[in-house]
Amino acid sequence: LAKTTQPISMDSYEGQEVNITCSHNNIATNDYITWYQQFPSQGPRFIIQGYKTKVTNEVASLFIPADRKSSTLSLPRVSLSDTAVYYCLVAFSNTGKLIFGQGTTLQVKP
Amino acid sequence: DVKVTQSSRYLVKRTGEKVFLECVQDMDHENMFWYRQDPGLGLRLIYFSYDVKMKEKGDIPEGYSVSREKKERFSLILESASTNQTSMYLCASSLTGAGTMSLGEQFFGPGTRLTVL
Repeated sequence: LAKTTQPISMDSYEGQEVNITCSHNNIATNDYITWYQQFPSQGPRFIIQGYKTKVTNEVASLFIPADRKSSTLSLPRVSLSDTAVYYCLVAFSNTGKLIFGQGTTLQVKP
Repeated sequence: DVKVTQSSRYLVKRTGEKVFLECVQDMDHENMFWYRQDPGLGLRLIYFSYDVKMKEKGDIPEGYSVSREKKERFSLILESASTNQTSMYLCASSLTGAGTMSLGEQFFGPGTRLTVL
């Protein structure tokens, strides 16, 4: 059964690096992993996407180990404005399912 | 910037009513999606469409139908609203590309919070 699993919540302090891991079993070789950020009263917003090794953009990095059964979103030097809910999404090609994790609420403290 | 708009931010309906939720995107995207979002459950896919007049069931299609007569517009229909359909409804769109990549990079609307009394 295709499933994505994330921690429910995390706390951090300003300036720290935050790593949020998503577990996704039954992922196929070319299935992409996508991460979104959501603020209250808004729709999710795309952060980063990848399917192997490491991807980096101006806001985050995505690390995917060789077995691809998990992925880690890394947010460098978080600020208060990074307080949000973060979702991972996997499009499982073997089942045709789009599965979001249940979301990780990140609270950044001063 | 891609813009996805939804017809209402808040909607209150009564049990048994027929409800229409409208979504419009302005970037000529082929794919459009309807999700519902509930606390502790994340986003769950109701239906998606990869072309005009085409639709595919998602994980929770029961009690819902969809319509896509024009490329830019995707409607979600609750044939007979029930209290367990009280939720946040999110529409999204994406381009079509090779593999599953394009299904992942979606642009979301602001959501419609539907309350069924």
